[in-house]
Amino acid sequence: GESVGLHLPTLSVQEGDNSIINCAYSNSASDYFIWYKQESGKGPQFIIDIRSNMDKRQGQRVTVLLNKTVKHLSLQIAATQPGDSAVYFCAENRVMDSSYKLIFGSGTRLLVRP
Amino acid sequence: DSGVTQTPKHLITATGQRVTLRCSPRSGDLSVYWYQQSLDQGLQFLIQYYNGEERAKGNILERFSAQQFPDLHSELNLSSLELGDSALYFCASSVGTGEYEQYFGPGTRLTVT
Repeated sequence: GESVGLHLPTLSVQEGDNSIINCAYSNSASDYFIWYKQESGKGPQFIIDIRSNMDKRQGQRVTVLLNKTVKHLSLQIAATQPGDSAVYFCAENRVMDSSYKLIFGSGTRLLVRP
Repeated sequence: DSGVTQTPKHLITATGQRVTLRCSPRSGDLSVYWYQQSLDQGLQFLIQYYNGEERAKGNILERFSAQQFPDLHSELNLSSLELGDSALYFCASSVGTGEYEQYFGPGTRLTVT
């Protein structure tokens, strides 16, 4: 299948363990922060978002934490499964030139060991 | 399956040529976004159309252009191609404009030789 082959930081975890993927952002004016998952050969897929006035949001097996003081975003995946193997991108919904744009971070590759 | 379709899946062409990438958004979505994903630049927003009109512009080169047709499908035209244009090109769609929950297609892999 297709793969981008980006030179990305890689997180390797044992199946069943929890995963934590981190992201630093630069723009304090962004109103939403989002996590996307990109499996090999596919386009990115929305996972979860968090509004800038929140510090935690939970979904199904995923939790996003936002620390505005240090401009840090993290994605926690509970009981990591082989199907979680993918590249994970954080993104900011940012106003630029009077319109909203989705600005993606550089991504982290998650490898799940059986 | 996101509901967004892109054609062709692969495209190989020579420097200096022109190509057209096609995208059909999810049924009911009015916005189409184009992104470029290359090895050294990650995912870069290029341009957005909403209901036929250009709504937002990102890091799109002057050699590149796009349009959205009345049936809401979109085309991205890349001309005077250079080796550095080799990348994956993704189309995404959303119901409204400026939405961050976007549905991405499978991408078109462009190789410029």
